[in-house]
Amino acid sequence: DGGITQSPKYLFRKEGQNVTLSCEQNLNHDAMYWYRQDPGQGLRLIYYSQIVNDFQKGDIAEGYSVSREKKESFPLTVTSAQKNPTAFYLCASSIDPSQPRSFGDEQFFGPGTRLTVL
Amino acid sequence: GENVEQHPSTLSVQEGDSAVIKCTYSDSASNYFPWYKQELGKRPQLIIDIRSNVGEKKDQRIAVTLNKTAKHFSLHITETQPEDSAVYFCAASRYAGGGSNYKLTFGKGTLLTVNP
Repeated sequence: DGGITQSPKYLFRKEGQNVTLSCEQNLNHDAMYWYRQDPGQGLRLIYYSQIVNDFQKGDIAEGYSVSREKKESFPLTVTSAQKNPTAFYLCASSIDPSQPRSFGDEQFFGPGTRLTVL
Repeated sequence: GENVEQHPSTLSVQEGDSAVIKCTYSDSASNYFPWYKQELGKRPQLIIDIRSNVGEKKDQRIAVTLNKTAKHFSLHITETQPEDSAVYFCAASRYAGGGSNYKLTFGKGTLLTVNP
């Protein structure tokens, strides 16, 4: 299960606090993604990045922020502005899907971080 | 944007029976359709995918069919086994080429239970 890792596995946050979730990959993938998973809701895209120093909002970006300073790392910050942050967070990576040789490529997922607000 | 609907939300079958999960998508330009399996407490993993230039793809007991005209695709699992029990997600995306943005839109998932 190597390749893409997330830490911590469990995270508890008090209301009003910002927390940062780590995501690291050693697959030399260009693209990285953050999803939120809630029961019965599937996977919803928070942010994604196709290249270093560039990222795009997904469908539910409000209350979250990201950075992509290194190709291997894509940390997600859950800010106090996120009203319902308790969820399972999944990070994923893939090779650059915008290249001509690519026609949709597999996303590899990390093991996830379960965030609970106390 | 793309919208993916997945049915049923839960499916229970007897071991050895077949299971079928169906998805519809809204963006006629979508051209890549993967299926992910997520076992309890684990990460999603790709089990099969299909691109819009083919209508069917098989891998042992798993097959996926695509109907572009109707904008729906289905996952078929034959000779189900207890280890097939998991949540299955369909997804769709549109490759537009040349540096354009790319993202997967997922269905809400189907909890498959295979009873021994």
